[in-house]
Amino acid sequence: QVQLVQSGAEVKKPGSSVKVSCKASGGTFSSYAISWVRQAPGQGLEWMGGIIPIFGTANYAQKFQGRVTITTDESTSTAYMELSSLRSEDTAVYYCARERYDSGTQYYFDYWGQGTLVTVSS
Amino acid sequence: SSELTQDPAVSVALGQTVRITCQGDSLRSYYASWYQQKPGQAPVLVIYGKNNRPSGIPDRFSGSSSGNTASLTITGAQAEDEADYYCNSRDSSGNPPLYVFGTGTKVTVL
Repeated sequence: QVQLVQSGAEVKKPGSSVKVSCKASGGTFSSYAISWVRQAPGQGLEWMGGIIPIFGTANYAQKFQGRVTITTDESTSTAYMELSSLRSEDTAVYYCARERYDSGTQYYFDYWGQGTLVTVSS
Repeated sequence: SSELTQDPAVSVALGQTVRITCQGDSLRSYYASWYQQKPGQAPVLVIYGKNNRPSGIPDRFSGSSSGNTASLTITGAQAEDEADYYCNSRDSSGNPPLYVFGTGTKVTVL
């Protein structure tokens, strides 16, 4: 059974950075892409970016370009999402999710982490 | 980038059928996936591809697609189906391809 376990809640000051981890177990970590999705309080889901561990190249939503960095450590089957220059609007629950794709037209996220609340407040 | 539009809220009587729709240009190229999210919980995949359910998802959930519209149907809605539902699609309008989520639909079971 695949599990994605994320790091705990964080409280950060505006202008600082946060790094959230996502440790995978029960599957072949390197073979699947990992995405990061966030959800501000009372709002919908927002895709931030993703990475395929075996290639190490990340893709980011334009909104977060220059502020977000997604990396992986294959030795520990862990993915990381670092968001810099934090502002109050970045207060949200951040999720990691495993990407799957079949036949070139079916893309989906089959396993999700439990979420990490990041609060940005002075 | 593309957008996926959903109705903000729908209601359904217990045991009846409800259809949730998702519209967007990316759906002409890619199938939608659908996620159920209950308060305080992570999203759960309920439908992916043409009409596939992950293990453990009841068969009252089904999916369909036509043109730029994808639909999630709950046939015989149960109280535990009350939740927010989000569609998602690959988006190849930019380079590299990305993902986009729908705006979400709150389903209330009466």
